[in-house]
Amino acid sequence: DAKTTQPPSMDCAEGRAANLPCNHSTISGNEYVYWYRQIHSQGPQYIIHGLKNNETNEMASLIITEDRKSSTLILPHATLRDTAVYYCIVRVGGGNAGNMLTFGGGTRLMVKP
Amino acid sequence: GAVVSQHPSRVICKSGTSVKIECRSLDFQATTMFWYRQFPKKSLMLMATSNEGSKATYEQGVEKDKFLINHASLTLSTLTVTSAHPEDSSFYICSAPDRADTQYFGPGTRLTVL
Repeated sequence: DAKTTQPPSMDCAEGRAANLPCNHSTISGNEYVYWYRQIHSQGPQYIIHGLKNNETNEMASLIITEDRKSSTLILPHATLRDTAVYYCIVRVGGGNAGNMLTFGGGTRLMVKP
Repeated sequence: GAVVSQHPSRVICKSGTSVKIECRSLDFQATTMFWYRQFPKKSLMLMATSNEGSKATYEQGVEKDKFLINHASLTLSTLTVTSAHPEDSSFYICSAPDRADTQYFGPGTRLTVL
């Protein structure tokens, strides 16, 4: 799986949009970008994933650059409960249940009042 | 999204005893499940891949005789830490992929070995 690079930490004001970047310059054509987050002492929570098109769901938006070498996770209105470690993971998707996730260091997002 | 449960959420045991952790996919079936371990302030590290009806696949450096994995049904995988020692104290997390191959994680099990 392609390696990802994320800033180790970020701050965001409550109510503002949180934009979390991720670089994955060696991504392959069949690899998806997945985002998870882990709140302290809990299991990781799935947020969103995409291949090349931008994606949006009730939790967040995922913006993938045209060359697919980087992406940004956007939390439109961050709340204190969004404080967590956010992991950007690149892996082959599409129905192969044997593909596990490889976690890097992630970005520790601190949402401040 | 899909739901994965783990039991127990927290366990404290004496050194030398064995501890079993259960991982269940509640609303979907999973022929494959994954077991991770996480030490304080560290990222998740994959330990093994649990395969329904066949042997688990272990990552390099993970002792298969110490971390016994059984995937008895399409909704249940168990991890047994045998002869636990204080260095086995950690946060153990399982995951399972749904039909779309999106991985969902359990809430984790905090193991403390005294």
